[in-house]
Amino acid sequence: GAGVSQSPRYKVAKRGQDVALRCDPISGHVSLFWYQQALGQGPEFLTYFQNEAQLDKSGLPSDRFFAERPEGSVSTLKIQRTQQEDSAVYLCASSLGLAGISSYEQYFGPGTRLTVT
Amino acid sequence: AQTVTQSQPEMSVQEAETVTLSCTYDTSESNYYLFWYKQPPSRQMILVIRQEAYKQQNATENRFSVNFQKAAKSFSLKISDSQLGDTAMYFCAFFDSGGGADGLTFGKGTHLIIQP
Repeated sequence: GAGVSQSPRYKVAKRGQDVALRCDPISGHVSLFWYQQALGQGPEFLTYFQNEAQLDKSGLPSDRFFAERPEGSVSTLKIQRTQQEDSAVYLCASSLGLAGISSYEQYFGPGTRLTVT
Repeated sequence: AQTVTQSQPEMSVQEAETVTLSCTYDTSESNYYLFWYKQPPSRQMILVIRQEAYKQQNATENRFSVNFQKAAKSFSLKISDSQLGDTAMYFCAFFDSGGGADGLTFGKGTHLIIQP
């Protein structure tokens, strides 16, 4: 597609439910990032993939959060046993991931707004 | 770890005026990139402008320009001839190109309101 897409756009989960958020990056983009954006805050880095390899997961807030990108394209962020503090917008971004500043430019999807009740 | 500070939570100006959004950052790295992103109410982040730290010349993109002061670790965004469509959240972001942190580090954002 022309840009990064994410689904669903909105998700309401009851506390304790598992959720899965999908990201379709721009075709050919090597790097994929997940961010969490709390209301009124800037996005915070969660995890990073280069192709199918998850090279950095230092931002994942707990072991309830899990991300994968098995074929180096689509990625899924899974949150197990959701808690109220997980309520946020989850943003996915992709970049070329090669060399030079243009490869570091991240293109963002519209986000998934997760509300845990 | 890097930090990015945006000290203006909200700014409001009249259409056609010039406005400057401030951003400071803290890093011990020498190789990095800086970005300004715009996030309209629809929430899709859009890249506004970028700056390589090793370049002394300030980046410009049409009505958008930056004032990059490396020694002061300052990276402000100037919007000239502001338009109603410029109303959005603006985020300053830092990227360590030296192989440190893999994601962008964002500031808390400035809510810019352009009044008609």
